[in-house]
Amino acid sequence: GQQVMQIPQYQHVQEGEDFTTYCNSSTTLSNIQWYKQRPGGHPVFLIQLVKSGEVKKQKRLTFQFGEAKKNSSLHITATQTTDVGTYFCAGHSSNDYKLSFGAGTTVTVRA
Amino acid sequence: NAGVMQNPRHLVRRRGQEARLRCSPMKGHSHVYWYRQLPEEGLKFMVYLQKENIIDESGMPKERFSAEFPKEGPSILRIQQVVRGDSAAYFCASSLGGAGGEQYFGPGTRLTVT
Repeated sequence: GQQVMQIPQYQHVQEGEDFTTYCNSSTTLSNIQWYKQRPGGHPVFLIQLVKSGEVKKQKRLTFQFGEAKKNSSLHITATQTTDVGTYFCAGHSSNDYKLSFGAGTTVTVRA
Repeated sequence: NAGVMQNPRHLVRRRGQEARLRCSPMKGHSHVYWYRQLPEEGLKFMVYLQKENIIDESGMPKERFSAEFPKEGPSILRIQQVVRGDSAAYFCASSLGGAGGEQYFGPGTRLTVT
């Protein structure tokens, strides 16, 4: 079955610095989604990427979908304490109903 | 427009008891998904349902777990004869369309088995 892997598992960032989290799928995806879960909270949808090579930005967050539609990345610039949480990617392949979630990257920020 | 609702938010059960978790999807959504999350782990898909139909239950343990989404009322995830290993957060999500569309998550039910 489809597997989605994320690295790193943990990211400790100094406030103001940039970082990137990566997502890789064992199969080609029809779309990939990103979710954020704050400590003690529930996952919240951030964005969906559909096209090969697609890049989307949300303020300080930049999302990219690879050319082969098997990997994705989330880059955050000038990290703030509000960025604390776990970021999940979730992939969907055309022959499956469900989303396959990665294990997430848990981000902590040093002020 | 109310979001996805789950109750109870916290549930404590003794080993051997039954746990019933409820999920009301967002208004207009007919696709419901259940996930389990262990501490510091990702979301594990359990089951995908539409009204009165189980579409995909490939993530559900074969025994003690069942799910339904009746024509009227919330979706129910039922765990019979709970064991300590069932302790986890159970999230429900709903979507407008199926097949990998954007999902809206409820606040979750934190199940503790003592």
